[in-house]
Amino acid sequence: QEQLLESGPGLVKPSETLSLTCTVSGDSIGRYFWSWIRQPPGKGLEWVGYIYYSGRTHYNPSLKSRVTISLDTSKNQFSLNLNSVTAADTAVYYCAKPMIPSATYAFEIWGQGKMVTVSS
Amino acid sequence: EVVLTQSPGRLSLSPGEKATLSCRASQGVTSSYLAWYQQKPGQAPRLLIYGASSRATGIPDRFSGSGSGTDFTLTISRLEPEDFAVYYCQQYGSSPDSFGQGTKLEIK
Repeated sequence: QEQLLESGPGLVKPSETLSLTCTVSGDSIGRYFWSWIRQPPGKGLEWVGYIYYSGRTHYNPSLKSRVTISLDTSKNQFSLNLNSVTAADTAVYYCAKPMIPSATYAFEIWGQGKMVTVSS
Repeated sequence: EVVLTQSPGRLSLSPGEKATLSCRASQGVTSSYLAWYQQKPGQAPRLLIYGASSRATGIPDRFSGSGSGTDFTLTISRLEPEDFAVYYCQQYGSSPDSFGQGTKLEIK
């Protein structure tokens, strides 16, 4: 059964870089658009960006200047870097996989989420 | 960006009743690429409906989706105790993907 698992520091200092990794198990990382989505405490969901297995990326314009998503196919992982963080970046960060390959689509598989707090 | 507005923000109903949740888009949703998710406290969202009206794998048939263009509806025909949660709509037809602010379905 396919699973996604987020990992990384749960606490990041203001102005530093938030780094998370999503490990995909039970299937190959190929042919899908892999996304990061975040949810501030008590609030709604925000799509952060995606990476295709070819390395093509696309980011939410609201975060574009600070976000980088990368892929390591040898480890079946993809990663999120968000630089110059502030308290507004405090959120649960989810990685997610769409229903069908080679297309941006509804998210069928989600990781359990990683809470990241930005605080000194 | 397509802005999704969900209503009501909070809905209080009893088990056995019918729930009707609305999602309105600021512009037409391409190809009815509209999904609904259920989220319970401390859990990741769970996909219920995609393509505006298709149920995801394993979703009970009391959940149904309808609509097109800018107006979409999630209907739960007879509420079960486990259905009380927060529901989000999402459009994935135009970039960036966007989500509604959510409807909290609570027990009356």
